[in-house]
Amino acid sequence: DPKIIQKPKYLVAVTGSEKILICEQYLGHNAMYWYRQSAKKPLEFMFSYSYQKLMDNQTASSRFQPQSSKKNHLDLQITALKPDDSATYFCASSQERTGNERLFFGHGTKLSVL
Amino acid sequence: GDSVTQKQGQVTLSEDDFLFINCTYSTTTYPTLLWYVQYPGQGPQLLLKVTTANNKGISRGFEATYDKGTTSFHLQKASVQESDSAVYFCALVYQRFGTGTKLQVVP
Repeated sequence: DPKIIQKPKYLVAVTGSEKILICEQYLGHNAMYWYRQSAKKPLEFMFSYSYQKLMDNQTASSRFQPQSSKKNHLDLQITALKPDDSATYFCASSQERTGNERLFFGHGTKLSVL
Repeated sequence: GDSVTQKQGQVTLSEDDFLFINCTYSTTTYPTLLWYVQYPGQGPQLLLKVTTANNKGISRGFEATYDKGTTSFHLQKASVQESDSAVYFCALVYQRFGTGTKLQVVP
C-alpha cells in the first residue's frame, strides 16, 4: 500500500482557475515537502514543512500556497492557474527536516492547464 | 550556494554494459549525498546514501563513492539490465537535486 497518497493522480484545469492538490502521508514523518517536475526543470524544490510549520519557500509566486490542516497532511493550493504551471507535482516526507534525510515521494499529481 | 551538477542528460547502454553517471557537488560543508531513481509513472525513490562516515554506498548492484578531493559522487554499476532503465538523480540535501540522467538499457 502506498504510504504517501496524492490526489488526484491527473488533473485538468482551465487558465485562471484554482485547484488544490492533496497529500497525506502515513509514515509518521514530521517533515513534508512539495516538488514540481516538468521538462524544463526536472525536479524543482518548492516548500518544506516541519511539524506543520513552513520552513522553506522557494516558490517565487504567491499563487502557490501550501496548507497543513493535520500533521500528516500537506495540500497545495494553486490559484490563477497558467499553462506554465503544467507539471507533475510530487509530495514527499522525511522523518525530520535535517537536510540529509531520506525522502519518500508520492506518485505525483499530473496537472495540465489548458 | 550549495549545488549539484549532472552533465549527462541521457545515457543509452546495452545489457551487461558498465554504467557511469557523473555527479559533482559544491558545498562548504561535508554533507550526506544521495542518489534517487525514478521509474516511469512513479515518484523518485532512494537508491543509496553516502555519508562522510562511510564514504561509499552500495545498493542493488549500484555503487557510489564520496570523493571530497574531486567533490564528486559518481554512480556506477558493473552490468546494467533492461530493468535499470529509469531516471537517476543525485541530490545534496532536499533542496538540491541534479537535473537527472535518463538511462535507457536496450536488450
